[in-house]
Amino acid sequence: DVKVTQSSRYLVKRTGEKVFLECVQDMDHENMFWYRQDPGLGLRLIYFSYDVKMKEKGDIPEGYSVSREKKERFSLILESASTNQTSMYLCASSTITSGGWDEQFFGPGTRLTVL
Amino acid sequence: QKEVEQNSGPLSVPEGAIASLNCTYSDRGSQSFFWYRQYSGKSPELIMSIYSNGDKEDGRFTAQLNKASQYVSLLIRDSQPSDSATYLCAVTMNTGNQFYFGTGTSLTVIP
Repeated sequence: DVKVTQSSRYLVKRTGEKVFLECVQDMDHENMFWYRQDPGLGLRLIYFSYDVKMKEKGDIPEGYSVSREKKERFSLILESASTNQTSMYLCASSTITSGGWDEQFFGPGTRLTVL
Repeated sequence: QKEVEQNSGPLSVPEGAIASLNCTYSDRGSQSFFWYRQYSGKSPELIMSIYSNGDKEDGRFTAQLNKASQYVSLLIRDSQPSDSATYLCAVTMNTGNQFYFGTGTSLTVIP
């Protein structure tokens, strides 16, 4: 079974802090993704990575950065946390087939609260 | 127009009934289609994938794809209270390297 793990289930930080969210997958997937999910807004893509050290902006990259130094690990960084970044953060991974990106497998999520 | 659209619901069905969830997409060249289930406070989990026109059945779940009409649906037969969740439709676009989620349909199965 594919397993995607995230470093924390719940996190509380203060405004202005630098926040690191870690994600690890064990299926040698090429693609990794970071989403945030807010009520009524669905899943919104922050960043994705299709290879080590490669990254692409998603729909809402402002205020975030990412790092992918190893294939299995994808980190999301909030440079200076703000209250509007309070959200559920979901990491996902997928492989690539002849038809393009395959199904995404999600981690359990991190519920981040910024005070 | 959004890339993937779903009726947000809420959709309520009695236990034992058939629940029908629908999704439309904008890119005619889309190739891969997925249904995810998400319980409140949990992450999405894949329940069905479908790649070609027609029906695909897995237990109580049937996915239906009509590429000409650009819609994909999910039928849940003999609905159970444990099926109460939000169902997300996802589509891989023609370029192959874009993956879009709908905003989800909330389903409640009433005992």
